[in-house]
Amino acid sequence: SQQGEEDPQALSIQEGENATMNCSYKTSINNLQWYRQNSGRGLVHLILIRSNEREKHSGRLRVTLDTSKKSSSLLITASRAADTASYFCATPINQGAQKLVFGQGTRLTINP
Amino acid sequence: DAGITQSPRHKVTETGTPVTLRCHQTENHRYMYWYRQDPGHGLRLIHYSYGVKDTDKGEVSDGYSVSRSKTEDFLLTLESATSSQTSVYFCAIRRAGETEAFFGQGTRLTVV
Repeated sequence: SQQGEEDPQALSIQEGENATMNCSYKTSINNLQWYRQNSGRGLVHLILIRSNEREKHSGRLRVTLDTSKKSSSLLITASRAADTASYFCATPINQGAQKLVFGQGTRLTINP
Repeated sequence: DAGITQSPRHKVTETGTPVTLRCHQTENHRYMYWYRQDPGHGLRLIHYSYGVKDTDKGEVSDGYSVSRSKTEDFLLTLESATSSQTSVYFCAIRRAGETEAFFGQGTRLTVV
């Protein structure tokens, strides 16, 4: 089974609305990352939150982390059609944090 | 694309044949990863490397082997391809001491 599990698997909203995606993980982490994947492309790093942080912002992105619940959320505010993509959380695991393990992803569709 | 190239980009092969995918980087990053991406499973880690000749298994390593004889190249070999290995394969690289991973464009492999 995978370290990260995103919820929902798919999300469709209207342009201008906010989109929230959630990620749950199983083992202790020292950071959690969110990536974006446009159709047919490789993943692109969006934002990282460390285990001692509870919230982080980057432009229209807001990430929260609750280590007691082993969960994180990614909020995209004022969504745009160009935000249509799949979003993945990723956690480095094992000693030395060498392995980078991804969840199943959330497919986000922004309708104009 | 952070100086990372995957080859080939597309390949169709027959069941039982050996196949080698190449990941080449020009960034001198220490860590290199091979993932496969399938619908409903997100990205799953196959193997990764933490230096020349230093590799380790990921979640789904059965049927795959890797080699890294030079910093810049990480090869993924399917010893005897099976239809279950039809997938999109992504290579990723990461610099030592940093968290962000950079992804290649992917290789679409079809085993018939």
